[in-house]
Amino acid sequence: EAGVAQSPRYKIIEKRQSVAFWCNPISGHATLYWYQQILGQGPKLLIQFQNNGVVDDSQLPKDRFSAERLKGVDSTLKIQPAKLEDSAVYLCASSPQGIYGYTFGSGTRLTVV
Amino acid sequence: AQSVSQHNHHVILSEAASLELGCNYSYGGTVNLFWYVQYPGQHLQLLLKYFSGDPLVKGIKGFEAEFIKSKFSFNLRKPSVQWSDTAEYFCAVKSQGGKLIFGQGTELSVKP
Repeated sequence: EAGVAQSPRYKIIEKRQSVAFWCNPISGHATLYWYQQILGQGPKLLIQFQNNGVVDDSQLPKDRFSAERLKGVDSTLKIQPAKLEDSAVYLCASSPQGIYGYTFGSGTRLTVV
Repeated sequence: AQSVSQHNHHVILSEAASLELGCNYSYGGTVNLFWYVQYPGQHLQLLLKYFSGDPLVKGIKGFEAEFIKSKFSFNLRKPSVQWSDTAEYFCAVKSQGGKLIFGQGTELSVKP
């Protein structure tokens, strides 16, 4: 089966600019996750969707980060405006509902200068 | 709150040496535990997982892990490492809501 697709692979922006990342999960996977992985740390959950509803966004910095999952399939994560500390790899993962089957995408490496 | 702690930040071994990476979690209920590997430039891959049953779990590429409930530990082991095992290793626990809580990772460097 096709994996979790993410784009772009790399992005360099200046602070205060905006950026968006895209994720296409595995077909049929109801749950979609966005994780942030800062260099030297483990991934940290930003937001979890079940179909197109938000399940957990407790660690999403909502003053600058937003995410949506229209029609319960693809998802976009946006940062506006970006800060230097947002430099990280943004990972998307998906899993079937009620079953463990986490699959991670390759991630988008964001550098904010 | 659930948390995961990995004892070693960076481990350096020679080929054929034995490996043990420590992982401790904080959660008193039923746990689902995982080890992931991230090779340079690649995405996270599942090495092995524990849900229930035999506490000694065997994964891919010769890795295994032992769940010791009394010690809240889930250490990763491999009897003989290869240069190709050079990667970063993450221990994780799954929360009731489904999200994974990761440790900070251990970077393994294997010298040929």
